[in-house]
Amino acid sequence: DAGVIQSPRHEVTEMGQEVTLRCKPISGHDYLFWYRQTMMQGLELLVYFNNKAVMDDSGMPKDRFSAKMPNASFSTLKIQPSEPRDSAVYFCASSLDRVGQPQHFGDGTRLSIL
Amino acid sequence: EDQVTQSPEALRLQEGESSSLNCSYTVSGLRGLFWYRQDPGKGPEFLFTLYSAGEEKEKERLKATLTKKESFLHITAPKPEDSATYLCAVKVGANNLFFGTGTRLTVIP
Repeated sequence: DAGVIQSPRHEVTEMGQEVTLRCKPISGHDYLFWYRQTMMQGLELLVYFNNKAVMDDSGMPKDRFSAKMPNASFSTLKIQPSEPRDSAVYFCASSLDRVGQPQHFGDGTRLSIL
Repeated sequence: EDQVTQSPEALRLQEGESSSLNCSYTVSGLRGLFWYRQDPGKGPEFLFTLYSAGEEKEKERLKATLTKKESFLHITAPKPEDSATYLCAVKVGANNLFFGTGTRLTVIP
């Protein structure tokens, strides 16, 4: 079975540029999550969706980050304008809407902002 | 405030040397504690879910246990392929996972 698919795997861009990260969740999963991982902070939840609707985006800097889920099989996380402090690994995860179901993670996008 | 603390930060074991990783938590209303394994360059891979004090789960050389304040991941006779970062997370709110910063395990042949 295909897992969570993220693209690109690596992105290097200059400060001020727009960055778009993409995620395809596991088919049939109701929840989709975006996390950021850094050495200092570990894994932090940015935003999550249930059935394409944003449920909680309190972890996301809303002045420069935006997340969308236009359909059940695709989500984007956009950063505009990007800053060096946004450099991190961004993970997407999905899960079923049932008690005890774990989140399944993609392999992440390593983002470097120069 | 919800808090998850993992210890030690890093652990080096000889192959076959059993040990335990600790995850202590302070949350209002635990709705599940999760263990994940993360290899370099990969996303976290689900291992176990625990819900109530006294519960135990096992998978190969790994056993996870839960008390009211902490969880342990016991590794019995580890092999080099068990080397990874082990992450603990607690479920808070409707479906949020709050992660600890992990224990980086190295098993030396």
